Amino acid sequence: GAVVSQHPSRVICKSGTSVKIECRSLDFQATTMFWYRQFPKQSLMLMATSNEGSKATYEQGVEKDKFLINHASLTLSTLTVTSAHPEDSSFYICSGNGPGGSYEQYFGPGTRLTVT
Amino acid sequence: AQSVAQPEDQVNVAEGNPLTVKCTYSVSGNPYLFWYVQYPNRGLQFLLKYITGDNLVKGSYGFEAEFNKSQTSFHLKKPSALVSDSALYFCAVRDSYAGNKLTFGGGTRVLVKP
Repeated sequence: GAVVSQHPSRVICKSGTSVKIECRSLDFQATTMFWYRQFPKQSLMLMATSNEGSKATYEQGVEKDKFLINHASLTLSTLTVTSAHPEDSSFYICSGNGPGGSYEQYFGPGTRLTVT
Repeated sequence: AQSVAQPEDQVNVAEGNPLTVKCTYSVSGNPYLFWYVQYPNRGLQFLLKYITGDNLVKGSYGFEAEFNKSQTSFHLKKPSALVSDSALYFCAVRDSYAGNKLTFGGGTRVLVKP
């Protein structure tokens, strides 16, 4: 149980274009979802926290107009990287609070974004 | 503020030997502690957690961890390592006073040699 999917798993886009990444909780409802980015050989950095039906809360230093987050339902959150640049290339991982009030987060498999 | 430290970037161990991955934490309130494992180009898999109760918690794949309040540590252990345990391990903490955000340690790469 507690499976999270992400789509796409890999995406290559040109500089200046926008990319949307989907995060779905498949067998549970996630009232809160989290978006992280991970650089090679580094830890996860929290970008934002999103609660279903409300605006996301962004971490310090994360541009909310560049990284648009929508959490329209209890099973779907999306991250849109707008006007992507090569420095946005990274591994993006989402997670959801586990079912039934569990304390742990369950993570998606990640999306590798490469901006050329 | 909450923080996590994993003092070792890499741990090498021979297959069949005990494996320990170290983690220390700092929180204002009570700590909720977690271990996750990451395989290449994959998301994180939950291994185990400490919320309250017994200091020794058992998790997936034969892993266990011991919560030590006086030393503010939560080291991950496995009595007999397998080559397939080679991966990147992350310790994470959530402060009971600080909502539901996780803070991750820098990660420890485990290499189990046959």
